[in-house]
Order: sequence, then C-alpha cells, then structure tokens
Amino acid sequence: DAKTTQPPSMDCAEGRAANLPCNHSTISGNEYVYWYRQIHSQGPQYIIHGLKNNETNEMASLIITEDRKSSTLILPHATLRDTAVYYCIVRVGGYNQGGKLIFGQGTELSVKP
Amino acid sequence: NAGVTQTPKFQVLKTGQSMTLQCAQDMNHEYMSWYRQDPGMGLRLIHYSVGAGITDQGEVPNGYNVSRSTTEDFPLRLLSAAPSQTSVYFCASSYVRTGLNTEAFFGQGTRLTVV
Repeated sequence: DAKTTQPPSMDCAEGRAANLPCNHSTISGNEYVYWYRQIHSQGPQYIIHGLKNNETNEMASLIITEDRKSSTLILPHATLRDTAVYYCIVRVGGYNQGGKLIFGQGTELSVKP
Repeated sequence: NAGVTQTPKFQVLKTGQSMTLQCAQDMNHEYMSWYRQDPGMGLRLIHYSVGAGITDQGEVPNGYNVSRSTTEDFPLRLLSAAPSQTSVYFCASSYVRTGLNTEAFFGQGTRLTVV
C-alpha cells in the first residue's frame, strides 16, 4: 500500500505558486520523500527529493516538516505546462530492493489562465 | 544517450496470445522495474530487478514473467494474455547506491489492449 496521502485535485492560477501537500505520517528515518509528475499519460518525470532538509532545484522546492510526517511541493510560478498529476512517494529503502517506488493516486493539478 | 526505450508503443493482442514487452536502458543502471497503469489510477509495480540475474515480485506480479540476463535489458513477458491485462506499461531504471537515493528514469510506455 502507498504510504502517502495527497488531495485528489487542486487548481492554481497561472503565474502563481502551486503548493501541493503530502502526508507521510509513517515514514521511517532513512526513507526519502520523492516527487514525480506525469503529463498526459507520458512516463513519470522526476522533480525533486529530500530526506529532512528543505530542497530546491530549477523545477521546484520541497519543504519537509521537522517531524517529517508531511511535506509540500512548491512550484513557484506555475505555467499551463505544469498541468499534470503529481505523485508524492516515500522511497522504500534497502539495497536489495533497489529503493523501489510505490505510487499512490497523486494530485491532479490544473493550472488555469 | 537514449535513456529508457520501450517497444512496441502500441499493441493489440487476442486473449490467450503471448508477447514480450521490451525495455532497454543505456545508462548502466543496476535497478530496473515494470509498472502498469490502469485508467485514472496510479502506477503499480509488477516486477523489479537490482541487477543481472536478480529479479523479484512487486505489487501485482500474477500473469507476468521477467528475466534479467544483461544490465541493459529487462523484458516483460505475458504468457497468456487476458483482458484484465489491458493497460499502459511503463519501464523504469535507476542507479542503486547504498546510502544514496537517485532519481528513476521512465520510458514512454507501451499501450496494450487485450481483446
């Protein structure tokens, strides 16, 4: 079973920040939080990941609460091309499992003009 | 550098037929996996491999076989296709490094219809 909970859908105005929440209350100390997105049923695309510190890259920022039980993905200036399903994933650890990804239902983000 | 390549992109099978979905990566990744995605749902893990000669089952392995004879290739076999296997199939690969976490790269999918 997926170890994360996300709202099924969200809307965001173009040019505004999109804040996508995720709950992962059962996360273990060595498990990372990953975010992927899927546009028009294409293959999922990696966005960002983190352990306990906030992270930022050219696509987004990831804010993880101090207790690590929830996180927020921030797209600072959403565009129409950011319309997609966003998946928050807690990556299963262990070398013999390769850190496999278990997907939940994700959040369908609609960016509107 | 082509990334993860899946073939074919589309396939229609009759019930009971067999086929192999191909997946190849040129990034020398140890870890490869297969997912299926049904309409309106997230991806579900079918099988995965952490290296040549090593495979294991995911969430929904029934009706599928895999093998990993080389680092580059990870084919998915349907021995006797059923309508319930109508889905979009995605292959993914990544490095496996103890103590580190790396991003997974996905192919563009194979859209399979079983009639």
